[in-house]
Amino acid sequence: EPEVTQTPSHQVTQMGQEVILRCVPISNHLYFYWYRQILGQKVEFLVSFYNNEISEKSEIFDDQFSVERPDGSNFTLKIRSTKLEDSAMYFCASSERVPGNTIYFGEGSWLTVV
Amino acid sequence: QKEVEQNSGPLSVPEGAIASLNCTYSDRGSQSFFWYRQYSGKSPELIMSIYSNGDKEDGRFTAQLNKASQYVSLLIRDSQPSDSATYLCAVHIMEYGNKLVFGAGTILRVKS
Repeated sequence: EPEVTQTPSHQVTQMGQEVILRCVPISNHLYFYWYRQILGQKVEFLVSFYNNEISEKSEIFDDQFSVERPDGSNFTLKIRSTKLEDSAMYFCASSERVPGNTIYFGEGSWLTVV
Repeated sequence: QKEVEQNSGPLSVPEGAIASLNCTYSDRGSQSFFWYRQYSGKSPELIMSIYSNGDKEDGRFTAQLNKASQYVSLLIRDSQPSDSATYLCAVHIMEYGNKLVFGAGTILRVKS
């Protein structure tokens, strides 16, 4: 069964460092997403991406965050200067068609900022 | 008003019983509703989607949607200890842009 894959599964970084989280969405899917979940809290929407541009973003997704689809398969989330409060599980997800269609999640990348 | 609300639980049921999980949402225009299961430290795993009023059954799971009451529920029949997890209700909220919004989740504990 096709799945969303994410790397790394866990990353520890120093505050102020740049982090790139990588994802390979399901191959025939057109919409890509990043969500995050701070420990013990709910899953929060960060950004959606379609046709090589951001279609929606939340207030969390400020100038420190960026997304990119550098080639035909990868989808990345970059955090330019990490803060302690960026420590969370980051989930990449994809859906086949327009929003409203089922979203499938990757296993997540656990980011710890120290 | 919160966009998607769930009782945080924990909801404890004995093995073999029916577990009933509930969710309300704020946006009357929402058209797509999902239940995900999340084990501790893992990603959300899709259980069911529902788009129309009424019931939708898949194995031991039944999703129920009532758009007039802005209410969606999940029934788990013959609950098993392996069903113990956090159940996340997710709704496509059109009012705030086109995004999937999650409730905080209900913790389910099935006791053997």
